[in-house]
Amino acid sequence: SQQGEEDPQALSIQEGENATMNCSYKTSINNLQWYRQNSGRGLVHLILIRSNEREKHSGRLRVTLDTSKKSSSLLITASRAADTASYFCATDQSDDYKLSFGAGTTVTVRA
Amino acid sequence: GAVVSQHPSWVICKSGTSVKIECRSLDFQATTMFWYRQFPKQSLMLMATSNEGSKATYEQGVEKDKFLINHASLTLSTLTVTSAHPEDSSFYICSARDQRAENTGELFFGEGSRLTVL
Repeated sequence: SQQGEEDPQALSIQEGENATMNCSYKTSINNLQWYRQNSGRGLVHLILIRSNEREKHSGRLRVTLDTSKKSSSLLITASRAADTASYFCATDQSDDYKLSFGAGTTVTVRA
Repeated sequence: GAVVSQHPSWVICKSGTSVKIECRSLDFQATTMFWYRQFPKQSLMLMATSNEGSKATYEQGVEKDKFLINHASLTLSTLTVTSAHPEDSSFYICSARDQRAENTGELFFGEGSRLTVL
């Protein structure tokens, strides 16, 4: 079942700017993951953050997790046109790999 | 990284026919695969969990007789949409869990299969 909500639904930025999107969830989790989906394609795993972690970096990506607020954020720095895609957060409640996906944020990076 | 292949990538069929979608893990063994459904501009909804050598576990509201899942080997799971109707038209995506990456939590996704039922 879907338990994540993402904000904003859509985001349009200029190349070189940073993009920030947020995800809120309802139940306790073991980990939270972010995925990217290009239009009409499958999902690509970006980053996973565990419930005992607060922040994680991977290249131009920065993810934060606040379990007290049941929320996470994904920051993409120095965005590129190739970052244009939909971004989904997904929560794993019991480490059984059954992911519940958020509604997604559609990011458009203008050249 | 691990590669998951889905086939066909798109299929058009007549109402009442059955369609089979394959999900293969190409360079790893997957004891568990997951099938999702995605409507246009919406999120992914988990349909079922496919376990090698045993029956699939379906999520609430998903008809097991309508969406037949078979996971006969460690590298292949199939989803058969039986007696398809226009409302079954959707984007179906599979994902697989790599046994070698047991502690990472990462899933590997196929490219998806777009089904259009006329």
